[in-house]
Amino acid sequence: DAKTTQPTSMDCAEGRAANLPCNHSTISGNEYVYWYRQIHSQGPQYIIHGLKNNETNEMASLIITEDRKSSTLILPHATLRDTAVYYCIVSPTGTASKLTFGTGTRLQVTL
Amino acid sequence: DGGITQSPKYLFRKEGQNVTLSCEQNLNHDAMYWYRQDPGQGLRLIYYSQIVNDFQKGDIAEGYSVSREKKESFPLTVTSAQKNPTAFYLCASSTYRDRQGEQFFGPGTRLTVL
Repeated sequence: DAKTTQPTSMDCAEGRAANLPCNHSTISGNEYVYWYRQIHSQGPQYIIHGLKNNETNEMASLIITEDRKSSTLILPHATLRDTAVYYCIVSPTGTASKLTFGTGTRLQVTL
Repeated sequence: DGGITQSPKYLFRKEGQNVTLSCEQNLNHDAMYWYRQDPGQGLRLIYYSQIVNDFQKGDIAEGYSVSREKKESFPLTVTSAQKNPTAFYLCASSTYRDRQGEQFFGPGTRLTVL
């Protein structure tokens, strides 16, 4: 599986956009980029995923570079409830996807 | 409401005892997974099952066992052979085929072995 690199922690002011970067320079052509988040002491929550095109849903936007070696998760208007650990994962789909969770980025949203 | 339930939320056991963690889903998902999370760490896959009566070992299966007799249920037994069983255990499920990366997680069971 391809590995990902994320900053350990980030801060963001409430109401501002939170941009969370992820490097996945060894990603394979059949691997998708997934983002999950985990609020303290809860199970992770799926946010979004993409292959090579940018994606947007009600929670976030995912921007993937043209060479697919990095991506950015964007929370357009961060709130205190977005404080969580965010995991960037690369994995193929269409098979039993064994998601490999690293240590993620701890996002702290402040007033 | 559709979802995944895990029980109990907190579980205490004495060292040397086997313990079974429950995981039930009513999402009609084919695939189910068990993860373990230690403090400050990411999740590690213990076992997964793509279909009833079939399951595969994940990255850290030693000291654990599972069964998948029903589509809705995927219980995990932590045996006395698991050297360091105290951890946060998470169950997840997903549809088969194209959407297995979109996993739905339960609330977790925090196991403490005394």
